[in-house]
Parts: sequence; C-alpha cells; structure tokens
Amino acid sequence: GNSVTQMEGPVTLSEEAFLTINCTYTATGYPSLFWYVQYPGEGLQLLLKATKADDKGSNKGFEATYRKETTSFHLEKGSVQVSDSAVYFCALSRNAGGTSYGKLTFGQGTILTVHP
Amino acid sequence: GAGVSQSPRYKVAKRGQDVALRCDPISGHVSLFWYQQALGQGPEFLTYFQNEAQLDKSGLPSDRFFAERPEGSVSTLKIQRTQQEDSAVYLCASSFLTPNEQFFGPGTRLTVL
Repeated sequence: GNSVTQMEGPVTLSEEAFLTINCTYTATGYPSLFWYVQYPGEGLQLLLKATKADDKGSNKGFEATYRKETTSFHLEKGSVQVSDSAVYFCALSRNAGGTSYGKLTFGQGTILTVHP
Repeated sequence: GAGVSQSPRYKVAKRGQDVALRCDPISGHVSLFWYQQALGQGPEFLTYFQNEAQLDKSGLPSDRFFAERPEGSVSTLKIQRTQQEDSAVYLCASSFLTPNEQFFGPGTRLTVL
C-alpha cells in the first residue's frame, strides 16, 4: 500500500537558519505529493504540492521537488522565521482514476520550532 | 467565505457512550472526507463521500463507526460504544471535486475516559 515517511522530529532552529525536512514515499503508480502545515490552534492548510515527476512546488519561501528516482519530496526553506513554527506533514494521493478519490496518506508529522 | 466547520470542538465521553461529530463543509463542495488523527501521528483516512453517496468506507476501524451525509452537505460521524482507543482528533475535509485541494476543518478532539 501507499505510505509516507518523514524525518523524525522535533526540529529546532534559530531564525534565518536553513530548513530541510525529509520525506520519502512508497506508492503504486505516480502519486501527487503535498506538504501540509498546521499552525498552533489552527487546522491543516495546504502549503505546496507537485503532481508529477520533477515538478517543484513552492509557497511562502518553502520549496519541494518531486523526485521519482529517489521517491522523495523534501521540504526546504532558505531562511526560517519564528512564524514558521508549526507541524509539517508530507502527504500523497494517487492521481485520478481507480478508487483513490484523492484520499490523502500522511506522514507522521514534524514539529518545527524556530527561536529568535 | 466560511471554511469547513466542525462541532463540537472538544468532546469528552465515558467509555461505552455514543457520540456524534458534525462537519459543515464549504458550500458547493462535492467531496467530503473524514480522517482520524491520533496524538503525535498524521491523519489517517476513514471515509469518503461524493455528494450523499459514501463511496469509500475502507478506513473505518470497526462497525462501531458510522458516517452519513444524507443531503450531500452536512456530514455526521457517529461512534457507538466508545472505547479508549477511539480518543483522537477527528478531521473533516472538503473539496469541490477530487482530486482538487482538500480544505480541512479545525477538528473535534474526542477523549474517551
């Protein structure tokens, strides 16, 4: 079946540090890949996505590239801010067709804390 | 416009009680998903509706879990005879059509004592 593995957390960084959160996946076919973010006290929000190999998703200074050869979708940001402190989830869904209905399979989440 | 809303936000139940969790999706959204998120884990799929039709209930952990969406809008997740292992955050998400972006509600935190 489909599965997503994220690097173990939590991750603690100083403001303006470089961020990488690793994500690898197992899936049949060619899934779509997502990063969701959950800020304290808020619901899950889509951060970025990529729907095919070599696509790069980007938003709010975050980037992730769909790497089919390494089955990875690592999240990066060049300079983190205190306001980036949140829980980050990598997720996949099988593309349209079959019985996937777009349901998401999530990793376990990575807690990021950024200190001033 | 309004996002996905869920009620109650918090629910404490004694073991063996029945509970009902409500989800109000974004108006016009055809697809509705329920997920269960245990503490420290990522959400796990429970069930999916397209309008009023429940097309996938493969993630429901037992026959104590039941979901409905009778008019294709509001959905209710019901858990009968709650057990301690049912303690989790229950998330609802909606999208206009699959596989479009899913918009998540704030969740209902269920604690079974």
